[in-house]
Amino acid sequence: GAGVSQSPSNKVTEKGKDVELRCDPISGHTALYWYRQSLGQGLEFLIYFQGNSAPDKSGLPSDRFSAERTGGSVSTLTIQRTQQEDSAVYLCASSLLAGAYEQYFGPGTRLTVT
Amino acid sequence: AQSVTQLGSHVSVSEGALVLLRCNYSSSVPPYLFWYVQYPNQGLQLLLKYTSAATLVKGINGFEAEFKKSETSFHLTKPSAHMSDAAEYFCAVSDQGDYKLSFGAGTTVTVRA
Repeated sequence: GAGVSQSPSNKVTEKGKDVELRCDPISGHTALYWYRQSLGQGLEFLIYFQGNSAPDKSGLPSDRFSAERTGGSVSTLTIQRTQQEDSAVYLCASSLLAGAYEQYFGPGTRLTVT
Repeated sequence: AQSVTQLGSHVSVSEGALVLLRCNYSSSVPPYLFWYVQYPNQGLQLLLKYTSAATLVKGINGFEAEFKKSETSFHLTKPSAHMSDAAEYFCAVSDQGDYKLSFGAGTTVTVRA
């Protein structure tokens, strides 16, 4: 079956602009995660959605970052007023349930802020 | 919060030689442990995971890892390296019952012909 898909694969934006990154999880997976991979910070957890529960936003680095998950499926990560330090690869993952279940990762969106 | 340390940011091995990637975790309570591989411009793929069952875990592509509580380690090995094993490898940890993964800094493996 289809894996986790993300769009766009690459995004170049000017400093100060808003960007939206999209994630389509594997069908039937109730848990969805966003991570950020950057040269300076490695792989960092950003946010987690599980079913209809309130998301865990504890990893979001600032209030410029937000995410939503509509209908328990597609998720959008929004970064407002982008800064150069936001440049990174944003990875989305999904799992059947949370916990020990394998997280399946998408190919990522490479964001470059100029 | 859990943390994980990967010793060695780069490892170079000859084709056919043993691959050994080191990972140590911080907690006194055994967590869940994972090894992921990332090929260039791709997402992460799970190689294997430890979730408090057998301490020797076998994964895909001939990799295996052994959980050693006394050493708080979860080192990844492959007896004979193949050119296709060239990639970046990440050790990750989560508390039992938690969902967030904390990743190590990664180890890049190059395989010499």
